[in-house]
Amino acid sequence: DAMVIQNPRYQVTQFGKPVTLSCSQTLNHNVMYWYQQKSSQAPKLLFHYYDKDFNNEADTPDNFQSRRPNTSFCFLDIRSPGLGDAAMYLCATSSRGGLAKNIQYFGAGTRLSVL
Amino acid sequence: SQKIEQNSEALNIQEGKTATLTCNYTNYSPAYLQWYRQDPGRGPVFLLLIRENEKEKRKERLKVTFDTTLKQSLFHITASQPADSATYLCALTNQAGTALIFGKGTTLSVSS
Repeated sequence: DAMVIQNPRYQVTQFGKPVTLSCSQTLNHNVMYWYQQKSSQAPKLLFHYYDKDFNNEADTPDNFQSRRPNTSFCFLDIRSPGLGDAAMYLCATSSRGGLAKNIQYFGAGTRLSVL
Repeated sequence: SQKIEQNSEALNIQEGKTATLTCNYTNYSPAYLQWYRQDPGRGPVFLLLIRENEKEKRKERLKVTFDTTLKQSLFHITASQPADSATYLCALTNQAGTALIFGKGTTLSVSS
């Protein structure tokens, strides 16, 4: 089945130690998104790629970076994680335009803990 | 900026009853609105999309309405079952049409 896969499901890192979360998709969608979701809160969009074009949200801290080496893969890099970065990180894809109307397909998420 | 409010954080109902969840939005008139389901520790799953020129959309036991005058969408689950227990998120496109803005969600608990 076509899907969005996030690895790892759980990640523990130390305060200030760089960490990378990965996302892959078999849907061949041209848009990939990264969201941060804290407990009982709405998913908060960090940035997205439309093909190779990177779109950063205005309030996304510089500590968060992303890479998309090809259509299938996208990475979230947190350069110096702080305690406030502990959250669920969600990757999503969509096929922009036409009837797709930004319907998003999410991975299961990566739960990040910062010690 | 666009703002989305879902009327309550939690809703408890008995099996067999109809659950009604509310989504209100301000400062924007989206062309369409979406509803997602999220189970604990999982990513959201798309349920339904409704366009601004559609008053109502149905899918099995689910029904969504969209009132662009009131800036409100209602999400109904009829004949609710314990398996419907989850958090339901409302989402709108941003003004640029490039991404979704999500509400905080309403957590529905259906007891048998």
